[in-house]
Amino acid sequence: DAGITQSPRHKVTETGTPVTLRCHQTENHRYMYWYRQDPGHGLRLIHYSYGVKDTDKGEVSDGYSVSRSKTEDFLLTLESATSSQTSVYFCAISDYRQGGADTQYFGPGTRLTVL
Amino acid sequence: AQSVTQPDIHITVSEGASLELRCNYSYGATPYLFWYVQSPGQGLQLLLKYFSGDTLVQGIKGFEAEFKRSQSSFNLRKPSVHWSDAAEYFCAVGSSGYALNFGKGTSLLVTP
Repeated sequence: DAGITQSPRHKVTETGTPVTLRCHQTENHRYMYWYRQDPGHGLRLIHYSYGVKDTDKGEVSDGYSVSRSKTEDFLLTLESATSSQTSVYFCAISDYRQGGADTQYFGPGTRLTVL
Repeated sequence: AQSVTQPDIHITVSEGASLELRCNYSYGATPYLFWYVQSPGQGLQLLLKYFSGDTLVQGIKGFEAEFKRSQSSFNLRKPSVHWSDAAEYFCAVGSSGYALNFGKGTSLLVTP
Protein backbone atom coordinates (compact mmCIF):
# COMPACT_ATOMS: atom_id res chain seq x y z
CA ASP A 1 0.00 0.00 0.00
CA ALA A 2 1.64 3.22 -1.18
CA GLY A 3 -0.70 5.47 0.77
CA ILE A 4 -2.54 6.89 -2.24
CA THR A 5 -6.15 7.96 -2.11
CA GLN A 6 -8.30 9.46 -4.81
CA SER A 7 -11.48 11.45 -4.44
CA PRO A 8 -14.16 11.21 -5.46
CA ARG A 9 -14.19 7.54 -6.42
CA HIS A 10 -17.18 7.98 -8.69
CA LYS A 11 -18.64 11.07 -10.30
CA VAL A 12 -21.34 11.78 -12.83
CA THR A 13 -21.43 15.25 -14.31
CA GLU A 14 -22.84 17.11 -17.25
CA THR A 15 -21.10 18.41 -20.34
CA GLY A 16 -19.65 21.85 -19.84
CA THR A 17 -19.26 21.70 -16.07
CA PRO A 18 -15.88 21.96 -14.33
CA VAL A 19 -14.62 18.91 -12.47
CA THR A 20 -11.68 18.50 -10.11
CA LEU A 21 -10.23 15.18 -9.09
CA ARG A 22 -7.92 14.91 -6.13
CA CYS A 23 -5.00 12.60 -5.50
CA HIS A 24 -3.52 12.48 -2.02
CA GLN A 25 -0.38 10.67 -0.89
CA THR A 26 1.01 10.22 2.57
CA GLU A 27 4.63 9.26 1.84
CA ASN A 28 6.16 12.51 0.60
CA HIS A 29 6.99 11.27 -2.89
CA ARG A 30 8.25 13.87 -5.33
CA TYR A 31 6.78 12.47 -8.55
CA MET A 32 3.05 12.13 -9.13
CA TYR A 33 1.12 11.25 -12.30
CA TRP A 34 -2.38 11.34 -13.72
CA TYR A 35 -3.37 8.67 -16.25
CA ARG A 36 -6.63 7.86 -17.91
CA GLN A 37 -7.72 4.35 -18.81
CA ASP A 38 -9.99 3.62 -21.73
CA PRO A 39 -10.91 0.28 -23.31
CA GLY A 40 -8.43 -0.68 -26.00
CA HIS A 41 -5.97 2.05 -25.05
CA GLY A 42 -4.40 0.88 -21.83
CA LEU A 43 -3.27 3.76 -19.63
CA ARG A 44 -2.24 7.07 -21.11
CA LEU A 45 -0.46 9.88 -19.32
CA ILE A 46 -2.36 13.16 -18.91
CA HIS A 47 0.00 15.25 -16.76
CA TYR A 48 2.69 14.65 -14.24
CA SER A 49 4.46 16.56 -11.49
CA TYR A 50 8.07 16.42 -10.40
CA GLY A 51 7.69 18.69 -7.40
CA VAL A 52 5.57 21.38 -5.83
CA LYS A 53 4.44 23.76 -8.57
CA ASP A 54 6.42 21.74 -11.15
CA THR A 55 4.23 20.03 -13.71
CA ASP A 56 4.39 18.96 -17.32
CA LYS A 57 2.10 17.65 -20.02
CA GLY A 58 1.65 14.09 -21.06
CA GLU A 59 0.35 12.35 -24.15
CA VAL A 60 -3.32 13.34 -23.75
CA SER A 61 -3.24 16.68 -21.91
CA ASP A 62 -5.71 18.67 -24.03
CA GLY A 63 -8.72 19.73 -21.95
CA TYR A 64 -6.98 19.06 -18.64
CA SER A 65 -5.01 21.15 -16.19
CA VAL A 66 -3.23 20.23 -12.99
CA SER A 67 -1.97 21.88 -9.86
CA ARG A 68 0.31 20.88 -7.07
CA SER A 69 0.55 23.42 -4.28
CA LYS A 70 1.84 20.95 -1.69
CA THR A 71 3.72 17.67 -1.90
CA GLU A 72 0.86 15.46 -0.85
CA ASP A 73 -1.86 16.67 -3.21
CA PHE A 74 -2.06 16.59 -7.01
CA LEU A 75 -5.25 17.95 -8.53
CA LEU A 76 -6.60 17.25 -12.00
CA THR A 77 -9.13 19.71 -13.40
CA LEU A 78 -11.39 19.40 -16.38
CA GLU A 79 -12.27 23.03 -17.05
CA SER A 80 -15.31 22.18 -19.16
CA ALA A 81 -16.05 18.47 -19.20
CA THR A 82 -16.88 16.72 -22.47
CA SER A 83 -18.27 13.26 -23.13
CA SER A 84 -14.88 12.20 -24.52
CA GLN A 85 -13.47 12.66 -21.03
CA THR A 86 -15.66 9.88 -19.66
CA SER A 87 -13.01 7.52 -18.38
CA VAL A 88 -11.35 5.98 -15.37
CA TYR A 89 -8.65 8.22 -13.95
CA PHE A 90 -5.71 6.86 -12.04
CA CYS A 91 -3.20 8.72 -9.97
CA ALA A 92 0.24 7.24 -9.45
CA ILE A 93 3.28 8.06 -7.39
CA SER A 94 6.87 7.15 -8.09
CA ASP A 95 9.32 6.10 -5.42
CA TYR A 96 12.06 7.75 -7.45
CA ARG A 97 15.31 8.59 -5.71
CA GLN A 98 18.14 10.41 -7.44
CA GLY A 99 20.36 7.95 -9.29
CA GLY A 100 18.06 5.01 -8.69
CA ALA A 101 15.40 3.11 -10.49
CA ASP A 102 11.83 3.80 -9.55
CA THR A 103 8.54 2.02 -9.40
CA GLN A 104 5.11 3.55 -9.85
CA TYR A 105 2.25 2.69 -7.56
CA PHE A 106 -1.33 3.42 -8.40
CA GLY A 107 -4.32 4.74 -6.56
CA PRO A 108 -7.74 3.05 -6.66
CA GLY A 109 -9.05 5.19 -9.51
CA THR A 110 -11.91 7.59 -10.13
CA ARG A 111 -14.68 6.64 -12.51
CA LEU A 112 -15.94 9.78 -14.24
CA THR A 113 -19.01 9.86 -16.43
CA VAL A 114 -19.80 12.98 -18.45
CA LEU A 115 -23.37 13.06 -19.74
CA ALA B 1 10.23 6.53 -28.86
CA GLN B 2 9.19 4.05 -26.24
CA SER B 3 6.38 1.65 -27.02
CA VAL B 4 4.96 -1.55 -25.70
CA THR B 5 3.04 -4.19 -27.60
CA GLN B 6 0.92 -6.88 -26.03
CA PRO B 7 -0.06 -8.98 -29.04
CA ASP B 8 -2.87 -10.89 -27.35
CA ILE B 9 -5.99 -8.92 -26.43
CA HIS B 10 -7.72 -11.92 -24.86
CA ILE B 11 -6.37 -15.23 -23.63
CA THR B 12 -8.34 -18.16 -22.25
CA VAL B 13 -6.69 -20.92 -20.24
CA SER B 14 -7.99 -23.79 -18.18
CA GLU B 15 -7.48 -23.74 -14.46
CA GLY B 16 -4.28 -25.56 -13.64
CA ALA B 17 -2.76 -24.97 -17.06
CA SER B 18 0.36 -22.93 -17.65
CA LEU B 19 0.21 -19.33 -18.79
CA GLU B 20 2.41 -17.10 -20.86
CA LEU B 21 1.49 -13.49 -21.66
CA ARG B 22 3.59 -11.79 -24.28
CA CYS B 23 5.11 -8.33 -24.14
CA ASN B 24 7.40 -6.70 -26.68
CA TYR B 25 8.94 -3.30 -26.22
CA SER B 26 10.77 -0.69 -28.18
CA TYR B 27 13.18 1.44 -26.22
CA GLY B 28 16.45 3.17 -27.01
CA ALA B 29 18.27 2.48 -23.76
CA THR B 30 18.14 -0.19 -21.10
CA PRO B 31 14.51 -0.28 -20.15
CA TYR B 32 12.84 -0.68 -16.83
CA LEU B 33 10.05 -3.20 -17.35
CA PHE B 34 6.95 -3.89 -15.32
CA TRP B 35 3.92 -6.12 -15.21
CA TYR B 36 0.77 -4.92 -13.47
CA VAL B 37 -2.49 -6.74 -12.87
CA GLN B 38 -5.93 -5.19 -12.64
CA SER B 39 -8.95 -7.03 -11.31
CA PRO B 40 -12.36 -5.74 -12.40
CA GLY B 41 -13.17 -2.39 -10.84
CA GLN B 42 -9.82 -2.22 -9.10
CA GLY B 43 -6.61 -0.29 -9.43
CA LEU B 44 -3.33 -1.61 -10.81
CA GLN B 45 -1.21 -3.87 -8.65
CA LEU B 46 2.47 -4.38 -9.36
CA LEU B 47 3.28 -8.03 -10.11
CA LEU B 48 6.98 -7.72 -10.80
CA LYS B 49 9.66 -5.49 -12.26
CA TYR B 50 13.00 -5.70 -14.01
CA PHE B 51 15.68 -3.07 -13.65
CA SER B 52 18.94 -4.96 -14.19
CA GLY B 53 20.78 -8.14 -13.28
CA ASP B 54 19.21 -11.57 -13.38
CA THR B 55 16.95 -11.67 -16.42
CA LEU B 56 14.44 -14.00 -14.73
CA VAL B 57 12.47 -12.11 -12.13
CA GLN B 58 10.05 -13.46 -9.61
CA GLY B 59 6.94 -11.64 -8.59
CA ILE B 60 3.95 -11.99 -6.39
CA LYS B 61 1.20 -14.60 -6.75
CA GLY B 62 3.58 -17.14 -8.32
CA PHE B 63 4.30 -15.10 -11.45
CA GLU B 64 7.66 -14.74 -13.12
CA ALA B 65 8.93 -12.92 -16.18
CA GLU B 66 12.02 -13.22 -18.33
CA PHE B 67 13.79 -10.29 -19.96
CA LYS B 68 15.23 -11.17 -23.36
CA ARG B 69 17.13 -8.27 -24.80
CA SER B 70 17.75 -9.98 -28.15
CA GLN B 71 14.02 -10.39 -28.65
CA SER B 72 12.96 -7.14 -26.97
CA SER B 73 10.56 -9.18 -24.89
CA PHE B 74 9.46 -9.43 -21.30
CA ASN B 75 6.95 -12.27 -21.18
CA LEU B 76 4.99 -13.10 -18.06
CA ARG B 77 4.57 -16.73 -17.01
CA LYS B 78 2.85 -18.82 -14.41
CA PRO B 79 3.13 -22.62 -14.22
CA SER B 80 -0.40 -23.28 -12.96
CA VAL B 81 -3.21 -20.78 -13.26
CA HIS B 82 -5.86 -20.35 -10.59
CA TRP B 83 -9.38 -19.04 -11.18
CA SER B 84 -8.47 -15.96 -9.14
CA ASP B 85 -5.86 -15.01 -11.76
CA ALA B 86 -8.61 -13.91 -14.13
CA ALA B 87 -7.90 -10.23 -14.66
CA GLU B 88 -6.35 -7.78 -17.07
CA TYR B 89 -2.59 -7.69 -17.32
CA PHE B 90 -0.53 -4.72 -18.41
CA CYS B 91 3.09 -4.60 -19.46
CA ALA B 92 4.84 -1.25 -19.11
CA VAL B 93 8.24 0.25 -19.92
CA GLY B 94 9.86 3.33 -18.49
CA SER B 95 12.88 4.99 -17.01
CA SER B 96 13.55 6.72 -13.73
CA GLY B 97 11.51 9.78 -13.05
CA TYR B 98 9.43 9.47 -16.17
CA ALA B 99 5.97 8.24 -16.91
CA LEU B 100 5.41 4.67 -17.94
CA ASN B 101 4.38 3.58 -21.40
CA PHE B 102 1.75 0.90 -21.14
CA GLY B 103 0.64 -1.81 -23.50
CA LYS B 104 -3.05 -2.03 -24.21
CA GLY B 105 -3.48 -4.99 -21.92
CA THR B 106 -4.30 -8.68 -22.13
CA SER B 107 -7.53 -9.92 -20.63
CA LEU B 108 -7.17 -13.37 -19.06
CA LEU B 109 -10.15 -15.69 -18.73
CA VAL B 110 -9.76 -18.85 -16.67
CA THR B 111 -12.13 -21.72 -17.38
CA PRO B 112 -12.91 -24.57 -14.97
